[in-house]
Amino acid sequence: KAGVTQTPRYLIKTRGQQVTLSCSPISGHRSVSWYQQTPGQGLQFLFEYFSETQRNKGNFPGRFSGRQFSNSRSEMNVSTLELGDSALYLCASSLDSGSSYNEQFFGPGTRLTVL
Amino acid sequence: AQSVTQLDSQVPVFEEAPVELRCNYSSSVSVYLFWYVQYPNQGLQLLLKYLSGSTLVKGINGFEAEFNKSQTSFHLRKPSVHISDTAEYFCAVRGRTVNDYKLSFGAGTTVTVRA
Repeated sequence: KAGVTQTPRYLIKTRGQQVTLSCSPISGHRSVSWYQQTPGQGLQFLFEYFSETQRNKGNFPGRFSGRQFSNSRSEMNVSTLELGDSALYLCASSLDSGSSYNEQFFGPGTRLTVL
Repeated sequence: AQSVTQLDSQVPVFEEAPVELRCNYSSSVSVYLFWYVQYPNQGLQLLLKYLSGSTLVKGINGFEAEFNKSQTSFHLRKPSVHISDTAEYFCAVRGRTVNDYKLSFGAGTTVTVRA
């Protein structure tokens, strides 16, 4: 079974631009979560989507948004990029079978550099 | 809310020596506990998890961890490390409710294994 895939793997943008990152979950997985990883703040939860609805949200400004499609693929968008948005963005998918524990499987990440 | 403190930011160790990475957590609710490993330019890989039951948990690549509820700790150990264990290690927690997919991570411990 293929793992979580993220595209693109690397991205360079300039301040003020916007960017869209894509995540394809493991086949059959219905929950997709996004995390930001920076040297200063570490790993921080952005948001989680399930059945095309945002189910959980972290403490990020409204410039960060996301969506999920009917095939469970997810995109996240960052508008009006700032230098501090430079980070590794990780996507994780899980089955969400209804039990209390569902393992999250992480993709390789998208490295965003804002100049 | 949950928080995680990894007590060592960097741990240098010689090949075939034992290693222990320390993790303490804080939470007002019962949690699941995890250790993840991240190799350069890759996503996160789950090493092991504590859900319930035996407090000694065995994971992949010879790692194990012990959950101590009274000390709110979840320390990771390996009796004999290899050069290939050089990586960054993250301790994480999440709540036990069905819809709680947010992982809260520690700042990470960089393990460098030397010959």
